[in-house]
Amino acid sequence: AQSVTQPDIHITVSEGASLELRCNYSYGATPYLFWYVQSPGQGLQLLLKYFSGDTLVQGIKGFEAEFKRSQSSFNLRKPSVHWSDAAEYFCAVGFYGGATNKLIFGTGTLLAVQP
Amino acid sequence: NAGVMQNPRHLVRRRGQEARLRCSPMKGHSHVYWYRQLPEEGLKFMVYLQKENIIDESGMPKERFSAEFPKEGPSILRIQQVVRGDSAAYFCASSPPESNYGYTFGSGTRLTVV
Repeated sequence: AQSVTQPDIHITVSEGASLELRCNYSYGATPYLFWYVQSPGQGLQLLLKYFSGDTLVQGIKGFEAEFKRSQSSFNLRKPSVHWSDAAEYFCAVGFYGGATNKLIFGTGTLLAVQP
Repeated sequence: NAGVMQNPRHLVRRRGQEARLRCSPMKGHSHVYWYRQLPEEGLKFMVYLQKENIIDESGMPKERFSAEFPKEGPSILRIQQVVRGDSAAYFCASSPPESNYGYTFGSGTRLTVV
């Protein structure tokens, strides 16, 4: 069955430090890949997505992610974290050719930023 | 152009009551998705609707839950005879027709069953 794993439940980084959030998926073909951010009490905002092409994807707010087929991974990175980046981050996959366009989400990584 | 509007933002129901959650999609969007987020979990797909049609309800619990998206008006997620385990955040997303995962999420309805 298709699944998404975010192995880090909680991460704390210092402001200005670099960030990498891990995401691994299980699927027989190349899926569509997404990263969303959720601030407390809010809905989900799309940070970036990968459908095909260049495996390094640029998103909003200075985030980027790299698709590595050999590792079934789509890790999210940011070179310098700001206090406003504190939020919960969700990786999600969708499937080419599906009739539904439904997403499968990971369980999320809660990011805390220390001053 | 308003985003996806969900109401109410917070809903408290006693066990056994009915909960009705509303979702008004973005203008021009005719596809609606409902997801549920249980505490400390990711979002789980529930149902996908187009106007007057349920396309995929594979994530809906078999009993007590129903969804509709009428020709006019918002999409409704209805939970009958709520139980404590229904307490969760329910998110709606909409997309235009023939969109490839072009979702916009609403801010959610937080249901608390007491």
